[in-house]
Amino acid sequence: QVQLQESGPGLVEPSGTLSLTCRVSGFSIISANWWSWVRQPPGKGLEWIGEAYYTGDTSYNPSLKGRVTISQDKSRNQLSLNLNSVTAADTAIYYCSRRPLWYGQSSYFDFWGPGLLVTVSS
Amino acid sequence: DIVLTQSPDSLSVSLGERATINCKSSQSVLYSSNQKHYLSWYQQKPGQPPKLLIYWASTRDFGVPDRFSGSGSGTDFTLTISSLQAEDVAVYYCQQHHTTPCTFGQGTKLEIK
Repeated sequence: QVQLQESGPGLVEPSGTLSLTCRVSGFSIISANWWSWVRQPPGKGLEWIGEAYYTGDTSYNPSLKGRVTISQDKSRNQLSLNLNSVTAADTAIYYCSRRPLWYGQSSYFDFWGPGLLVTVSS
Repeated sequence: DIVLTQSPDSLSVSLGERATINCKSSQSVLYSSNQKHYLSWYQQKPGQPPKLLIYWASTRDFGVPDRFSGSGSGTDFTLTISSLQAEDVAVYYCQQHHTTPCTFGQGTKLEIK
């Protein structure tokens, strides 16, 4: 069974960098799947942040204007997220998720981590 | 970006009755090369991550009860719960992956009347 678990600081200062890790168990990240980050401000909807493939390919939401970097540690079967220059608007629950590769592109989100609330505040 | 607009924003339905949630896309999510609609539905209960219910617009994920069904084509899609159960209280989201960035609808909150 695929399991994902987010970890990292629950509080980040404004203008700082949000850094999270997603540990994947029960399944190798070296597979025909994209590994994604999605966020959800408290009480609001879902926003796709970006994703990575085991080849090193990445794709990001242009709305984040170059502030985001997603990488993989294949030896640890982990996914990482770095979001810099954060503001209060980046306060959200951050989820990691798996997207199967279908017809040459990432598809639906079939497995999710439980999520981690990150608050941006001084 | 493709904009997905769900309707209604909230819905109250009696137990055992049918619930219908709509999702309208700002452009077609049909991939002509494989004739698949790149549209999925998720259920999110309080304090939990979203759960995949339906993909390719009408294919139920493993273990999803058959009272959940998806339909539609082009730009208009529907999630139907044929006989509402108490455990179906949740927020429901549609999502498209036809075009990057993938996007979600704003969500529909389903409650028991």
